[in-house]
Amino acid sequence: NAGVMQNPRHLVRRRGQEARLRCSPMKGHSHVYWYRQLPEEGLKFMVYLQKENIIDESGMPKERFSAEFPKEGPSILRIQQVVRGDSAAYFCASSPLSGHSGNTIYFGEGSWLTVV
Amino acid sequence: AQRVTQPEKLLSVFKGAPVELKCNYSYSGSPELFWYVQYSRQRLQLLLRHISRESIKGFTADLNKGETSFHLKKPFAQEEDSAMYYCALKRPGNQFYFGTGTSLTVIP
Repeated sequence: NAGVMQNPRHLVRRRGQEARLRCSPMKGHSHVYWYRQLPEEGLKFMVYLQKENIIDESGMPKERFSAEFPKEGPSILRIQQVVRGDSAAYFCASSPLSGHSGNTIYFGEGSWLTVV
Repeated sequence: AQRVTQPEKLLSVFKGAPVELKCNYSYSGSPELFWYVQYSRQRLQLLLRHISRESIKGFTADLNKGETSFHLKKPFAQEEDSAMYYCALKRPGNQFYFGTGTSLTVIP
């Protein structure tokens, strides 16, 4: 069972360009989470999605950022008109549909975005 | 509302010394709590969960509902324990909230 797969692992964008980060959850998982980790800082929640549904986007910046998890295909975190402050590691995690006690979330290896 | 608080951003201890990483939470129901560890530039990995009452790599954590805490402890720190540690709270509906993390450095 492959783990959570994120790509690209490293992405360089110029200011003003768009960045698209992809996340394929573990097999059988239908919940996806995106977190941002800024240099020398902790993990900040961004958005929580089920397929075709955003459950909690309270951590998403109001502008330029969007996320989706379509019925088919990976979840995508999209950042439009990137700025230097968007440079960070973006981690995706997934969990099973069931909310049974003990279920936890599994992380991908992260996508490192550098804005130049 | 802040659900998980890790008051120490940085923590340094000498090798062989005891270590305690603090975590406090705010939640009115019955929480499920976890500790995750992230070694340098790697993915976060589950370290332990409170319902398992397990000890992993010498670490333990006890849920104290009275103090709403879930501190992570190890009696003798090792150099390989140097990492970022995150406390996490799981709410019904599979929503996970992480603290801001504590960077542990074990000094040789």
